Amino acid sequence: DAGITQSPRYKITETGRQVTLMCHQTWSHSYMFWYRQDLGHGLRLIYYSAAADITDKGEVPDGYVVSRSKTENFPLTLESATRSQTSVYFCASNQGIAYEQYFGPGTRLTVT
Amino acid sequence: GENVEQHPSTLSVQEGDSAVIKCTYSDSASNYFPWYKQELGKGPQLIIDIRSNVGEKKDQRIAVTLNKTAKHFSLHITETQPEDSAVYFCAASRAGGGADGLTFGKGTHLIIQP
Repeated sequence: DAGITQSPRYKITETGRQVTLMCHQTWSHSYMFWYRQDLGHGLRLIYYSAAADITDKGEVPDGYVVSRSKTENFPLTLESATRSQTSVYFCASNQGIAYEQYFGPGTRLTVT
Repeated sequence: GENVEQHPSTLSVQEGDSAVIKCTYSDSASNYFPWYKQELGKGPQLIIDIRSNVGEKKDQRIAVTLNKTAKHFSLHITETQPEDSAVYFCAASRAGGGADGLTFGKGTHLIIQP
């Protein structure tokens, strides 16, 4: 049971480049989420999705784009990376309101 | 929006003693309160959660209490063990399971001294 996977696990990119972080879950969970984790801020919600083709903004959506054409995938794109987007990014999924949220292993992104 | 405050930021206890971490929230409509444990280099993992229709929940050495009137909830770990050393996060959400996203506290680094 693969669960929830993220790729790449580590990424270094330059300012201004586009980068896409991938998230894949094998449970067919309806809900998926992207959070970023920064020292001193805990985890903050970027975007979430209640189902395929349904997405909504979280607390810190600026500079990010998401899509969800398939239930199992929820990619996060930084269209023009900035140094302030250096962070650890976590994807999560949830089967529904009566269930817990499961987190992936994270992607450490460094923007130089 | 919701704001979750968590204290202390660092907690050091002797092995075998109890640890208590406290959180407050601002949105009276929040009704789902999970606690996550995060080990170095890994994603957060749920250890216990509580919903607003319950005041207390226990799972072996871990318990969570909720006071909706005061808008605070606490994590209690008894008989602490070395493997309890980690960062713990509280969170809150209006939707069960955090279906509309979770608002997290900033975390508590729990250190278990041998």
